[in-house]
Amino acid sequence: AQKITQTQPGMFVQEKEAVTLDCTYDTSDPSYGLFWYKQPSSGEMIFLIYQGSYDQQNATEGRYSLNFQKARKSANLVISASQLGDSAMYFCAMREGQAGNNRKLIWGLGTSLAVNP
Amino acid sequence: GAVVSQHPSWVICKSGTSVKIECRSLDFQATTMFWYRQFPKQSLMLMATSNEGSKATYEQGVEKDKFLINHASLTLSTLTVTSAHPEDSSFYICSASPGTSGGTDTQYFGPGTRLTVL
Repeated sequence: AQKITQTQPGMFVQEKEAVTLDCTYDTSDPSYGLFWYKQPSSGEMIFLIYQGSYDQQNATEGRYSLNFQKARKSANLVISASQLGDSAMYFCAMREGQAGNNRKLIWGLGTSLAVNP
Repeated sequence: GAVVSQHPSWVICKSGTSVKIECRSLDFQATTMFWYRQFPKQSLMLMATSNEGSKATYEQGVEKDKFLINHASLTLSTLTVTSAHPEDSSFYICSASPGTSGGTDTQYFGPGTRLTVL
């Protein structure tokens, strides 16, 4: 079974509107972390936002927020006021267990976001 | 902060030659670095976990003699693709974490290396 599922292969959004990218995860470990990364066409992976399993509040970073619903095992990324530069691939990833130097990330297949002018 | 560089950004080589890719953490020390491979329009595939001062841990199916990893210092890890063949052509990207301060171990990525083997 997929541990990280991103059900939207592609998404379109109008400039200045908000968009939600879906991510569901599967783990039996009570301690885990969830990450979102952006990969523009240049290829670099840009860290956007992090949510720990014990964090009480949803993470926010500027125009990015994470809608963390623990019972539903979902960690959707919300981008507000979309900009043309937001067009990219977006990956959701999970670290199982507590934070540590050797912890691998489990990756979703990604969602391609296109922002229309 | 948390900048990772990678060199070269692209390389074209002949079949049978070896190619070395460097990954450096510029403003932090990283006891662990990760090497990934990415095919077009696909997700990241972890190849190996590189540990400073010890042998790398390879993922299942990754040939350790083919992809040599050396983590020589707390700021440098290298991936050498030995006797490269066209099927090794891919996008290789490394990541490193500054540690677990603040309860997170966020991985920061280098810009990637696009390898083409003729």
